[in-house]
Amino acid sequence: GESVGLHLPTLSVQEGDNSIINCAYSNSASDYFIWYKQESGKGPQFIIDIRSNMDKRQGQRVTVLLNKTVKHLSLQIAATQPGDSAVYFCAEISSNTGKLIFGQGTTLQVKP
Amino acid sequence: DTGVSQNPRHKITKRGQNVTFRCDPISEHNRLYWYRQTLGQGPEFLTYFQNEAQLEKSRLLSDRFSAERPKGSFSTLEIQRTEQGDSAMYLCASSLEQTGELFFGEGSRLTVL
Repeated sequence: GESVGLHLPTLSVQEGDNSIINCAYSNSASDYFIWYKQESGKGPQFIIDIRSNMDKRQGQRVTVLLNKTVKHLSLQIAATQPGDSAVYFCAEISSNTGKLIFGQGTTLQVKP
Repeated sequence: DTGVSQNPRHKITKRGQNVTFRCDPISEHNRLYWYRQTLGQGPEFLTYFQNEAQLEKSRLLSDRFSAERPKGSFSTLEIQRTEQGDSAMYLCASSLEQTGELFFGEGSRLTVL
């Protein structure tokens, strides 16, 4: 089946630095993408989303970039803080199926 | 609290027993999803409902699993004759069809001894 995957299982950054988490997806029919943050023992928490008719979307300290040509999605976190330490998942939805498919996740570790 | 609510948060059971999890979605959301997550993995889609209609079931959902959403509001996920391999976190999410954004509950962790 088609899946969404992440390039690196773990990313370690210094507090205050910017973080970039990458994701490659394979379903060209996907038209909606979401980044989730999951802390230990908790459910996934919505961070930011982007639709396929956009290539960039900014939130508070976070930016999502979408490159449909190479089917690549990235999450940029500015001035990374210890509270950002978590597992980050990208996920995709195709309007054809209506179901959200998750990738494997990247663990972000923020060093003080 | 207007978020997605799941209970129980943790269930420990012996192999062969039946367990049931409940999910109360955000009240105006018409879509409700069930996912399963094992340690170190991303959530895996199990099934979803639009109102009371179950629209899709994953192959992961064996005949021991059944999900219902009888009145289009809360949902239950029942696992019969539990096996050790059923041990996982069971996540529920809800969304408004129009927005697509899924809001997740905190999950129900199942441990089968």
